[in-house]
Amino acid sequence: KNEVEQSPQNLTAQEGEFITINCSYSVGISALHWLQQHPGGGIVSLFMLSSGKKKHGRLIATINIQEKHSSLHITASHPRDSAVYICAVDNTDKLIFGTGTRLQVFP
Amino acid sequence: ETGVTQSPTHLIKTRGQQVTLRCSSQSGHNTVSWYQQALGQGPQFIFQYYREEENGRGNFPPRFSGLQFPNYSSELNVNALELDDSALYLCASTVGQGRYEQFFGPGTRLTVL
Repeated sequence: KNEVEQSPQNLTAQEGEFITINCSYSVGISALHWLQQHPGGGIVSLFMLSSGKKKHGRLIATINIQEKHSSLHITASHPRDSAVYICAVDNTDKLIFGTGTRLQVFP
Repeated sequence: ETGVTQSPTHLIKTRGQQVTLRCSSQSGHNTVSWYQQALGQGPQFIFQYYREEENGRGNFPPRFSGLQFPNYSSELNVNALELDDSALYLCASTVGQGRYEQFFGPGTRLTVL
């Protein structure tokens, strides 16, 4: 069993839909990161959080430390949101990554 | 644009050869981590350098080695390349250790034939 599990693995949506990606982890963490990876390979950090909720534009990330679970929400999805979204946890100064959720948003 | 650069962008090597990948971090970022991402997988932690010393290592053999330099650049060296080493290699820098945002480079795609 992976230490960081994401669901779903693949997600398709119509433009404007509300999207939720889930991440569960089984190790102790100091922080959790949500990352976005585009087809070229580069990774961009979206959020780093250790408690509660953060919002940036149409993106919202939440974390429940007791349940070891985090969610990434995208409101009013757009085709430019199409990418792989990766959850990663900070564990003893190294990141452990999930396998990613591939999101495709169609016009 | 994260301010972290990697070179080369793409590289093709043959089995048994050696390769050096380079990463240039943002000024002031004294911690750099290297990751290997196989196709369709999440990145895997190779090792981390903090102030030019190795500060943690993942489950990779000794033929994966690294260096970090005072000018915030670093190298990943892989000896005796194997076909399974074909992957995207990412470096990420941060300002310190612990709970800091990581800034990723664009990656180097290595193909071993």
